[in-house]
Amino acid sequence: DGGITQSPKYLFRKEGQNVTLSCEQNLNHDAMYWYRQDPGQGLRLIYYSQIVNDFQKGDIAEGYSVSREKKESFPLTVTSAQKNPTAFYLCASSISGWDGYTFGSGTRLTVV
Amino acid sequence: KQEVTQIPAALSVPEGENLVLNCSFTDSAIYNLQWFRQDPGKGLTSLLLIQSSQREQTSGRLNASLDKSSGRSTLYIAASQPGDSATYLCAVKGYQAGTALIFGKGTTLSVSS
Repeated sequence: DGGITQSPKYLFRKEGQNVTLSCEQNLNHDAMYWYRQDPGQGLRLIYYSQIVNDFQKGDIAEGYSVSREKKESFPLTVTSAQKNPTAFYLCASSISGWDGYTFGSGTRLTVV
Repeated sequence: KQEVTQIPAALSVPEGENLVLNCSFTDSAIYNLQWFRQDPGKGLTSLLLIQSSQREQTSGRLNASLDKSSGRSTLYIAASQPGDSATYLCAVKGYQAGTALIFGKGTTLSVSS
């Protein structure tokens, strides 16, 4: 079945560490997105990519980095510069960016 | 800047009731609008996608309407069931190239048996 796979489901980060969240899709979608969800808040856009080797900052990109070397993969790195990284991270994809979005099951990141 | 508001933030109803969830947006120049469902600790499941040229979409007991001129969409759930308990999110896509979905904060629905 086609879909989006996010891993790991749970991730713990120590102070000062960089961690990478994985997002893989087999839907043959061109566009991919990373959102952050905090309790009581809507989803906020971190980064998005409409084609391979190209990506754009969203509303809250500071402290995060991404790469898009393959169409299927859009990993998100949470760097030590992100001071409040504890949140639920959601990856999504869309055929071209103009169509409906499909979401993964999310990664919950906790700072310990 | 586009803003999406969902009212109420939470709603509790007995099983069997028909209910309406509301979504409003400040910029009526939207390309499409999508309704999602989110269960606790899970990802988002797409329910309905309405293009700007459409007035409504239906899927089973769900019906979503769109009134662009007034900046509103409603999600109608018929004959609610306990399994409908979840958070429902509304999101809009603008016409500008390179923009992504903008989300409301959601309505958390609880259906009691």
